[in-house]
Amino acid sequence: QKEVEQNSGPLSVPEGAIASLNCTYSDRGSQSFFWYRQYSGKSPELIMFIYSNGDKEDGRFTAQLNKASQYVSLLIRDSQPSDSATYLCAVNIKYGNKLVFGAGTILRVKS
Amino acid sequence: EAGVVQSPRYKIIEKKQPVAFWCNPISGHNTLYWYLQNLGQGPELLIRYENEEAVDDSQLPKDRFSAERLKGVDSTLKIQPAELGDSAVYLCASSQEGRGGGYGYTFGSGTRLTVV
Repeated sequence: QKEVEQNSGPLSVPEGAIASLNCTYSDRGSQSFFWYRQYSGKSPELIMFIYSNGDKEDGRFTAQLNKASQYVSLLIRDSQPSDSATYLCAVNIKYGNKLVFGAGTILRVKS
Repeated sequence: EAGVVQSPRYKIIEKKQPVAFWCNPISGHNTLYWYLQNLGQGPELLIRYENEEAVDDSQLPKDRFSAERLKGVDSTLKIQPAELGDSAVYLCASSQEGRGGGYGYTFGSGTRLTVV
């Protein structure tokens, strides 16, 4: 079992819709969770982080965490074509001060 | 504030040749990471430094890869000899004071290596 798993996609949504990206992790002791956005040919860019169960909102982005289910998600409201990118879920695993990344989900927003 | 600076941006070498990548972290960030990213995959940690000390190099293929971080600032990652399978993007990242795992960290632009 991979430490961090994501559906590779692509996930296609129309412009203005809500995009929902999901991630599961295996280390029950993980404490912090991150979403990075990566445009083609570019390096990952941090967009959200969450530590506590529940929702955290930042503009059009909402991160959701459910530690009991070992599940974290990212919602993007009013999706724009500029949101088209690969979204990487990263987890700070308990036994080391490092982030473990999922393989990423490709999001395509169609105008 | 300057971000994490990496060079070169691109490198093409023949197999069995050596190659080196350089990284300058954000000023004040004492933790430095080298990650490898293959096409269609997420970044994978190669080595983590806390100041000058390599505190996690368990994923670094030590038969051909080496890294150093003299004076706890800049770092170099070397491959000798390079193999075809080393073709990937090498990413450097930095964070403050062991907080990388808690606050995330900033990546440089990466070096795209092609071994032919």
